[in-house]
Amino acid sequence: SYELTQPPSVSVSPGQTAIITCSGDKLGDKYTFWYQQKPGQAPVLVMYQDIKRPSGIPGRFSGSNSGNTATLTISGTQAIDEADYYCQAWDNSVVFGGGTRLTVL
Amino acid sequence: DVQLLESGGGLVQPGGSLRLSCAASGITFSTYGMSWVRQTPGKGLEWVSGFSGTGDYTFYADFVKGRFTISRDNSRNTLYLQMNSLRAEDTAIYYCTKAHASSGYYPFPFDYWGQGTLVTVSS
Repeated sequence: SYELTQPPSVSVSPGQTAIITCSGDKLGDKYTFWYQQKPGQAPVLVMYQDIKRPSGIPGRFSGSNSGNTATLTISGTQAIDEADYYCQAWDNSVVFGGGTRLTVL
Repeated sequence: DVQLLESGGGLVQPGGSLRLSCAASGITFSTYGMSWVRQTPGKGLEWVSGFSGTGDYTFYADFVKGRFTISRDNSRNTLYLQMNSLRAEDTAIYYCTKAHASSGYYPFPFDYWGQGTLVTVSS
């Protein structure tokens, strides 16, 4: 079965750029989607079709996808961005990555 | 505002059954793909099953095929998940989700989520 691999944790200082990666075989040939989940809350879609931001998602969130790696980038990271982030793709089934905990120190 | 309200979770013994419901409001329910996604407390996300945006095709994760059945009643704006032969590993929060307008035929990505209903499978 298809697997998406994310680093368990990423740390960033406020105002700096956070980069969260998601790796999978030929992932660049598929669309990748990203979700943000804060403690006790349901996930929120923050990026779809690799690079598109849903309505209401701040412009500091951006995405890319090429080769075997998709990336969610948060520029000028704020304390409110601290959350778990999950990537998702489709390979005859919906597949989620294991999640990355973003800590804003 | 879009609202998805799940119900039907609870404690069930291994081998038992439960039926989850998701009442949707604020959307033209029949025109969107819908899915169930689960999350084990403290763990990651796992997609369970979904309906195509056209409403005429269903998708299942391999681990629930033959045990779970997804259905929808467009007249009631309600999504269902019938879960049979439940196992301890099915213990999770089950979220009802709506597919984004970009989804086309597929039941993802998930742009609205309910607050979830907890299913506990234990003797």
